Amino acid sequence: ILNVEQSPQSLHVQEGDSTNFTCSFPSSNFYALHWYRWETAKSPEALFVMTLNGDEKKKGRISATLNTKEGYSYLYIKGSQPEDSATYLCAFMRNTDKLIFGTGTRLQVFP
Amino acid sequence: DTGVSQNPRHKITKRGQNVTFRCDPISEHNRLYWYRQTLGQGPEFLTYFQNEAQLEKSRLLSDRFSAERPKGSFSTLEIQRTEQGDSAMYLCASSVLPHDRNIEAFFGQGTRLTVV
Repeated sequence: ILNVEQSPQSLHVQEGDSTNFTCSFPSSNFYALHWYRWETAKSPEALFVMTLNGDEKKKGRISATLNTKEGYSYLYIKGSQPEDSATYLCAFMRNTDKLIFGTGTRLQVFP
Repeated sequence: DTGVSQNPRHKITKRGQNVTFRCDPISEHNRLYWYRQTLGQGPEFLTYFQNEAQLEKSRLLSDRFSAERPKGSFSTLEIQRTEQGDSAMYLCASSVLPHDRNIEAFFGQGTRLTVV
């Protein structure tokens, strides 16, 4: 059984705070690591697909890093805004197999 | 193409009834996934298809669950003799065959099932 773990489970921050989340995954047979953002009443939306050890990707105030050798990825949000409130999911792909999701980190940003 | 479409969006059913959900993927996507999400959990893998072939079904899935993708386009997920524990959000996602590692999956908005 493949385990993908995310921490923390939930996070409450003030507007303007920077925050980060962790995703841990099996380091063997790595193919890709996905980050998704899931707002209430909407579809999960892909933020990043990361494939190479040492990868760092950025989209606006959000960035992510990847360490495939030790099996972890970090997601950073700089200067959190209320519209960043959502559940952030990571998903691990082994070979060209299915996506295995973690439990998610629920972020609430207060004005 | 407006993305992945799931119907119905909400379904309330009595325990013991059968329910069927439909997923219409993005038209050129040959891979289709079904996931189930309950409160406080991430999406749990149920099954996935490559074109019309069902490649894997979760061992956690009982025989009451069946999925089809008859022509490699839309897919249906049927739950027979529903139980209260089946209450969840059922998500469908599609993608192209991930020969390119950077391929993402696109999700529908889900079908929320409530078994009473």
